[in-house]
Amino acid sequence: RKEVEQDPGPFNVPEGATVAFNCTYSNSASQSFFWYRQDCRKEPKLLMSVYSSGNEDGRFTAQLNRASQYISLLIRDSKLSDSATYLCVVTYGQNFVFGPGTRLSVLP
Amino acid sequence: DVKVTQSSRYLVKRTGEKVFLECVQDMDHENMFWYRQDPGLGLRLIYFSYDVKMKEKGDIPEGYSVSREKKERFSLILESASTNQTSMYLCASSFKLGAGTYEQYFGPGTRLTVT
Repeated sequence: RKEVEQDPGPFNVPEGATVAFNCTYSNSASQSFFWYRQDCRKEPKLLMSVYSSGNEDGRFTAQLNRASQYISLLIRDSKLSDSATYLCVVTYGQNFVFGPGTRLSVLP
Repeated sequence: DVKVTQSSRYLVKRTGEKVFLECVQDMDHENMFWYRQDPGLGLRLIYFSYDVKMKEKGDIPEGYSVSREKKERFSLILESASTNQTSMYLCASSFKLGAGTYEQYFGPGTRLTVT
């Protein structure tokens, strides 16, 4: 079983749609949780951290459920510029473990 | 703003050549990492370093070595490049946010082709 698993994708959605990504992790000792965004042929960039209380940044909402070892990312009112691969990341100590990513294409 | 730079964006080398990939970060981060990313395989950790002259093997260290002589610089070395090392190489650095919590930032990547 992989340490971090994500929806296989790809997700193709129209502009304005709401899209949700799911991620599960296997190591219950994981301490920090993040969503990264990676554009084609570019480096991953930190999108947002994920906290147990949930956190929101504009159109983006991230949730963490430690009991279920589950992380989610919700994008509302999706834009063409949201098209990218979204990577779920968990850490334990100084180790960062990346999920395989879910590709999103927002269509006009 | 965190800045991680890599010496080359694109590199073409021949089989058997010794290859050096350089990475520099300007934020005094303790930890630095080298990953490779391949289609369908995701990001895989090659080596990381949590201090000057310290290094730890990641998931796929075979065929690679690293050097960290200064805090800001972390080099990846391919002793004898092979075609299966054709890949995107990503350097990253991380810092401690709080107890047990780190945040990581990436360089722009080096796309290496070995012919």
